[in-house]
Amino acid sequence: GAVVSQHPSRVICKSGTSVKIECRSLDFQATTMFWYRQFPKQSLMLMATSNEGSKATYEQGVEKDKFLINHASLTLSTLTVTSAHPEDSSFYICSPIDGGTDTQYFGPGTRLTVL
Amino acid sequence: AQKITQTQPGMFVQEKEAVTLDCTYDTSDPSYGLFWYKQPSSGEMIFLIYQGSYDQQNATEGRYSLNFQKARKSANLVISASQLGDSAMYFCAMREGKDSSYKLIFGSGTRLLVRP
Repeated sequence: GAVVSQHPSRVICKSGTSVKIECRSLDFQATTMFWYRQFPKQSLMLMATSNEGSKATYEQGVEKDKFLINHASLTLSTLTVTSAHPEDSSFYICSPIDGGTDTQYFGPGTRLTVL
Repeated sequence: AQKITQTQPGMFVQEKEAVTLDCTYDTSDPSYGLFWYKQPSSGEMIFLIYQGSYDQQNATEGRYSLNFQKARKSANLVISASQLGDSAMYFCAMREGKDSSYKLIFGSGTRLLVRP
């Protein structure tokens, strides 16, 4: 089956620093990428949608200058949390769409803790 | 307004019994898809079952079946013969439109605990 990887799986950082999360589709081309955020004991909330080579579309309430998304290739998308604060601590999950089969997959998630 | 509603924050079921997890949805789009995912404590999202709005029959996948009642806008998940490994969070989700590039919206989830 298709494999999606996220790196790092866990990260702890100090307040004010930036953190980059990578999402790779290992055996398919991801034409569309969704990024979700999940706070403890809550559901997945969509942050943004990106298509390869295009600017991301952000959901209402998500700051595009704080959560930088780059979808420069069909196998790699990155989410950078800039100037992270404790309230950004969350579980971040990427979800690529296989452009060939139209199937949506989910990455294993990245747990971010901001001290 | 909530697009996807899961009214059961937590459920218990005895091992080997069946359990129904409720999900109602709201959309005016005639074309939509309904999904159920399982999320164990590891955090990974595991796809369980899919129902398209135009599908005539209820979807089934092994021990999972989806009780799709279109007029009532409900898409309940039925797990038969529960196993201890079924203990997890379960999310109902909806995508409006046929194109998979349309966003998937999740309900608040139900935590299922299977008792031995």
